[in-house]
Amino acid sequence: TQLLEQSPQFLSIQEGENLTVYCNSSSVFSSLQWYRQEPGEGPVLLVTVVTGGEVKKLKRLTFQFGDARKDSSLHITAAQPGDTGLYLCAGSNTGNQFYFGTGTSLTVIP
Amino acid sequence: EAGVVQSPRYKIIEKKQPVAFWCNPISGHNTLYWYRQNLGQGPELLIRYENEEAVDDSQLPKDRFSAERLKGVDSTLKIQPAELGDSAVYLCASRLGYEQYFGPGTRLTVT
Repeated sequence: TQLLEQSPQFLSIQEGENLTVYCNSSSVFSSLQWYRQEPGEGPVLLVTVVTGGEVKKLKRLTFQFGDARKDSSLHITAAQPGDTGLYLCAGSNTGNQFYFGTGTSLTVIP
Repeated sequence: EAGVVQSPRYKIIEKKQPVAFWCNPISGHNTLYWYRQNLGQGPELLIRYENEEAVDDSQLPKDRFSAERLKGVDSTLKIQPAELGDSAVYLCASRLGYEQYFGPGTRLTVT
């Protein structure tokens, strides 16, 4: 089993604050995805990173893949209430298997 | 383009009853996944199909769960008989390249 640990598990912040979510593993992945899931819906893909050290930006969200392709981070600048949700990372190997992280539940208070 | 479609969205059954979930993946996506997700946690893989072949079902509780993907398109997941601990959201996803796309899930409540 290839485990992905996310931290923190829960996060409650005020609107306008910055935050970082971490996704760590002892395993190497060929790619890593970040998803956001809202209540009653399935996870929605935010980004895929495939190169060690890669940084991708999606508006106020910045995603980084670790140099060794074992870890990743998601940084949100000036959080908005619409950012509220469950954030999931998922590592993929060449066998088309996806291993999901433990999840980070984010609440942004207006 | 339509996304992954799942039905029903919600199901409430009594324990020991059977239940079935249906999934229609995105057209052209050959890989299909069934996951189970408990509240606030990440999805856990139950079974993965490549076309009509189940290539990874090691996490599927085969004494009560079964799945099929006839013709390599739609898929059904069945539980018989259901137990209280089966209450969860059952997610279907399909994959293209590095990325997988999820349906809205079926929330199962076993009473």
